[in-house]
This record gives sequence, structure tokens and C-alpha cells, in this order.
Amino acid sequence: GAVVSQHPSRVICKSGTSVKIECRSLDFQATTMFWYRQFPKKSLMLMATSNEGSKATYEQGVEKDKFLINHASLTLSTLTVTSAHPEDSSFYICSASGGLANQPQHFGDGTRLSIL
Amino acid sequence: KQEVTQIPAALSVPEGENLVLNCSFTDSAIYNLQWFRQDPGKGLTSLLLIQSSQREQTSGRLNASLDKSSGRSTLYIAASQPGDSATYLCAVRHTGTASKLTFGTGTRLQVTL
Repeated sequence: GAVVSQHPSRVICKSGTSVKIECRSLDFQATTMFWYRQFPKKSLMLMATSNEGSKATYEQGVEKDKFLINHASLTLSTLTVTSAHPEDSSFYICSASGGLANQPQHFGDGTRLSIL
Repeated sequence: KQEVTQIPAALSVPEGENLVLNCSFTDSAIYNLQWFRQDPGKGLTSLLLIQSSQREQTSGRLNASLDKSSGRSTLYIAASQPGDSATYLCAVRHTGTASKLTFGTGTRLQVTL
């Protein structure tokens, strides 16, 4: 089945650091990628939708200058958490889709971000 | 705005029991509905995808049904095993250009020996 690789799986860093998370589709072309955030024992909250070669669409309440998304190719999207603070600590998960609505979304294994 | 609710929030059953997880959604304008499994601290594993035109899908011991008009889906797990212990999430994919997924609140399942 389709595989989505997310890296790194865990990051611990100091407040003020910028952190980049990569999401790669390994065996299919991901026209659309999605970035989610998950708080402990909560469901996934969509942060933004990115389409290859265009600007990401952010959900209401998500700061686009805080969470920079780049989708430069059909197999790679990155999320950069700029000047991270402790309140940004969370579990971030990406997913990828081939672009057709009847296709499933395939998820990465997530990144646990801890800001000290 | 689409809202997805899952009942129960948590469930504990002895090994071997058959069980049903419920998912309800408020807006029936969906492309499909997907059931996922999430182990603690891990990402999501897709279990079953039901298109809006379908009534059910089966994979091994899992059977998912969809009643789009009433906004309901169920995930049936037969002969549960301790390895089935996880959080189960349903998600609906909207019609429209964004085709976003809206996730349910999840059901935490524990299967005991």
C-alpha cells in the first residue's frame, strides 16, 4: 500500500528555535498534502492544506507566519514551526492524497515536538 | 460546519467478543468515510474506506457500514483480540474543492485477556 514517511519522529529543542518537519510520499505522487495537529487524547485538527506548486490554505485560527508550509514537489511537503514556544509542543501528523476525492488519505507516523 | 461524533468514547471488552463502534456526522454531503486505527504516540493506519455510494466494506475481521442519509457509520470488529487495543477514528471527506477530512472524537478500545 501507499507509504508516507514523516521525519523526524521526535524533536526536543529550546524555545525560540525553528523546527522543520518533512513529509514524503514514497510510492505515489501526492497532489495534495495535509498537516494536522493533535493534542493529548484529542482528535486530529486540520491546520492547512497544501497543493504542489501553490500556497497552502490555512484553517481559521492557524497562523501562517508561525507554521510555514512548502510543497515544492509532488513527493515532499515541509512544515516549519518558526520561533517555537512551549505552547507549540504537540503531535504533528501529515497526510497525502493523490488528489482524487475518492482516494484514501495516507498518513505519516507523526512528529512529537517538545519545546523546552 | 461538519461535526463528527463517535460513541462510545472508551470501551473495554474481554478477548473474543464482537463489538461495534459508532460514528455519526451532521452533513451528508460527503465523498467517503474512512476508519483509522491509532496506536499511542503513533500515526494513523487506514482500515477501511467507504465511498458515498457504497453501503459497506469488509477487511478480515472488520466490517464497516455507511448510511449516508442518516449520517451514520459503524465499525464492527469480530472476535476481538488484545492486539486490537487502540484508538479508532472515523473521518469524513467533504464534497467541494478542499476535500478535507473531518475527524471524529475517537473511541479508545481496550481488549483484555
